[in-house]
Amino acid sequence: DTGVSQDPRHKITKRGQNVTFRCDPISEHNRLYWYRQTLGQGPEFLTYFQNEAQLEKSRLLSDRFSAERPKGSFSTLEIQRTEQGDSAMYLCASSLVGSEQFFGPGTRLTVL
Amino acid sequence: GIQVEQSPPDLILQEGANSTLRCNFSDSVNNLQWFHQNPWGQLINLFYIPSGTKQNGRLSATTVATERYSLLYISSSQTTDSGVYFCAVVGTSGTYKYIFGTGTRLKVLA
Repeated sequence: DTGVSQDPRHKITKRGQNVTFRCDPISEHNRLYWYRQTLGQGPEFLTYFQNEAQLEKSRLLSDRFSAERPKGSFSTLEIQRTEQGDSAMYLCASSLVGSEQFFGPGTRLTVL
Repeated sequence: GIQVEQSPPDLILQEGANSTLRCNFSDSVNNLQWFHQNPWGQLINLFYIPSGTKQNGRLSATTVATERYSLLYISSSQTTDSGVYFCAVVGTSGTYKYIFGTGTRLKVLA
């Protein structure tokens, strides 16, 4: 297993467009997390799943954001009607219950 | 919610020097990790250390949970150690999300 993977690595979009990111966790990990990181800041939690259940969502996750993990394996994060303030690095992590988190390489989103 | 503060915010070292990075947190924690973020943005796991002391090569870390701080030691620094070091904690309130500090930006000069 090569770790957590994310696709795409970079995404440039125009304001108002929808974008979707994918995360593939480490295969045996049952927890999957999404974070967002803006320039000069530490990552901020967005949401997490245990298997297919979404157990916690941050107030940062506005109505334009939705995340799914339909079969308890990969996850998608969709942003509708993107705004310039959505420009950031979107990071995915996975873990076993109660254990350390491993992060993917991130998807860098630029909204023009 | 739990607050995480890291110091110093910036650090410049000559190659071969030693350094200590500090992470203070405002409440009890279940998990604590140290990460190194490389120039491409990848977060690399350094230590999973909710308590105690661990060593890995030139790096070591100590967490004193009762006093709510953790230290990361880098010895004989190399230019490849440059980057941002983050401390992240999980509180004890039933959540499993990491709260990250603002990081220490380290630059090692040849």
